[in-house]
Amino acid sequence: DAGVIQSPRHEVTEMGQEVTLRCKPISGHNSLFWYRQTMMRGLELLIYFNNNVPIDDSGMPEDRFSAKMPNASFSTLKIQPSEPRDSAVYFCASSFRADYNQPQHFGDGTRLSIL
Amino acid sequence: SQQGEEDPQALSIQEGENATMNCSYKTSINNLQWYRQNSGRGLVHLILIRSNEREKHSGRLRVTLDTSKKSSSLLITASRAADTASYFCATDRSSNTGKLIFGQGTTLQVKP
Repeated sequence: DAGVIQSPRHEVTEMGQEVTLRCKPISGHNSLFWYRQTMMRGLELLIYFNNNVPIDDSGMPEDRFSAKMPNASFSTLKIQPSEPRDSAVYFCASSFRADYNQPQHFGDGTRLSIL
Repeated sequence: SQQGEEDPQALSIQEGENATMNCSYKTSINNLQWYRQNSGRGLVHLILIRSNEREKHSGRLRVTLDTSKKSSSLLITASRAADTASYFCATDRSSNTGKLIFGQGTTLQVKP
């Protein structure tokens, strides 16, 4: 079975540009999570969706960040305008939440560098 | 705020030895999970232990949970060079629905 698929794997862009990260969760999973990982702050949850609805976006750093999940098989995380401090690895994860006790399945991430 | 705090931050052992990593947390939980991350890859789920469980095994992995002390340990027995990775604990708090809080991780190096 295909795992969580993220694209692109690497993105290098200049400050001020719009960045769009994409995620395809595992088929049948109904929860989707966006994380950011840096050396300084570790792994931070940015936002998560249940059944395509955003449940908790308290981790989104500021208004420059937005996330959408138009359907069960696709989500995007957008940064506009991007800044050098946004450089990090961004992970998408999905799970099936029939109850609380379910693991999350991670993609291999997008390594974002803002120059 | 960080929920899980791992100890030690880094661990270096010889192949064949056992590796023990500890995790402490602050609030009541539904479950505690351990994940592994190889360099340049995403996290991979290893094992989940529910709040009403005290010990769980999976292959060479043994996880314990002490809810009175709000702590967990991950033991990897007979380590292999391929176990070299970062290991994270994550807690699913009782007050949340599906949200995991990750610790900073333990970096394990297994020398051949």
